[in-house]
Amino acid sequence: GQSLEQPSEVTAVEGAIVQINCTYQTSGFYGLSWYQQHDGGAPTFLSYNALDGLEETGRFSSFLSRSDSYGYLLLQELQMKDSASYFCAVNQAGTALIFGKGTTLSVSS
Amino acid sequence: KAGVTQTPRYLIKTRGQQVTLSCSPISGHRSVSWYQQTPGQGLQFLFEYFSETQRNKGNFPGRFSGRQFSNSRSEMNVSTLELGDSALYLCASSPDANTEAFFGQGTRLTVV
Repeated sequence: GQSLEQPSEVTAVEGAIVQINCTYQTSGFYGLSWYQQHDGGAPTFLSYNALDGLEETGRFSSFLSRSDSYGYLLLQELQMKDSASYFCAVNQAGTALIFGKGTTLSVSS
Repeated sequence: KAGVTQTPRYLIKTRGQQVTLSCSPISGHRSVSWYQQTPGQGLQFLFEYFSETQRNKGNFPGRFSGRQFSNSRSEMNVSTLELGDSALYLCASSPDANTEAFFGQGTRLTVV
C-alpha cells in the first residue's frame, strides 16, 4: 500500500523557522510535492523534488532523500499569512498525487 | 489564463440520490484528477484521467466514477449517495505528469 506521515500540527512565532517533515511508503515513486491550503481555499503548489537534495524558492525550501523515503518543507522568516495547512504529496507513477493528511501551521505574533 | 473551474460550488443532496460534478481544466492541460477532502483525512485521491483514459484510481467504491471528454473537461459521478459522502470535492489539472497540479475551488457536497 501507500502511506505518508506528517505531523498534524505545528506552532511558531513570526520570524521563526519551521520544518515540516514527511515520510512516505509508496510504489512507483516519481517525486515529492508540497502544497499549501488556507482555510476555505484551494491547495496551491509550493515545490516539487524529483531528485535528492534541497530546492529553494524564496522563503520556502524543500528537501528529499529518496533512500530514506523522507522529505521536509522548511519555512523561513515566518509571517502571519503562512498560517495554513501544508500537505506533502507523492507523485505516483506520474499519474496520481497521493497526499498526506496535512500539517496545520499556526503562526503567532 | 483561466484557472480550473468547478461547478457547482455548493450542492445539497438526499441520501440515495446521485450527483454529477463538473471540472474544466486549464486550457492545454490534459490530465485531470479528482480528490475528496474531509476534515482530518486530507485529500484522498479518487481518479486521474488523461486524454479521456483513466490512468489511475484510488481506493473508493464503484459508486464513484468519472469520465473525461475530448476537450479535457471532466465529470465525476457519485451514485446512491451516503451521508459519509459529504465532503469537498476538488479537481486538479496539470499538463501531464502531475509535477505541478492546479486546483479548482472545489464543490462542497452535503448529503442529508
